[in-house]
Amino acid sequence: GQQVMQIPQYQHVQEGEDFTTYCNSSTTLSNIQWYKQRPGGHPVFLIQLVKSGEVKKQKRLTFQFGEAKKNSSLHITATQTTDVGTYFCAGDPQGGKLIFGQGTELSVKP
Amino acid sequence: GAVVSQHPSRVICKSGTSVKIECRSLDFQATTMFWYRQFPKQSLMLMATSNEGSKATYEQGVEKDKFLINHASLTLSTLTVTSAHPEDSSFYICSATRGTNYGYTFGSGTRLTVV
Repeated sequence: GQQVMQIPQYQHVQEGEDFTTYCNSSTTLSNIQWYKQRPGGHPVFLIQLVKSGEVKKQKRLTFQFGEAKKNSSLHITATQTTDVGTYFCAGDPQGGKLIFGQGTELSVKP
Repeated sequence: GAVVSQHPSRVICKSGTSVKIECRSLDFQATTMFWYRQFPKQSLMLMATSNEGSKATYEQGVEKDKFLINHASLTLSTLTVTSAHPEDSSFYICSATRGTNYGYTFGSGTRLTVV
């Protein structure tokens, strides 16, 4: 079946270091979305990428969608303790049914 | 922004009883809502798609008779866990979207513990 693989599973960084998580889909996606889930909380929508090769930025966060619309990445520059949480990518093959990656749990040491 | 309200946030029930979880879209209409289950330190597993005015669509391996879904209005979907057992203990989350150009808004989740 359709799968979205996400790596790494865990990432521990020192505050100020950069962080990147990667997603790869087994099939072409109509769009990919990114969510952040704080410990004990629920996923919160960050962004949606639709176009091939699209790059979007939100302050220190940079999101990319691959040319083949099968992979994506989230890069955080100069992490802060407020960035702590699990970041999920979610691919939408079509029809609105999201397939979530396994998530990358980010911890930031002050 | 879009708001999805989910209740209750926590529930403890005895084995064999049923639990109803509500998911409401507060400021938009949702013809479709999604129900997920999440185990600790794991990803979200889609259980079913709730469709307003029609039957829910269940994912493979999800028992439709155990997880009853009702989507009676454009703003409310309910998930009832029937004859709950300890292995049903989990975090259940609903989501909906106001349109194709928007992301999905998740409810705050329901942590179910069956004792």
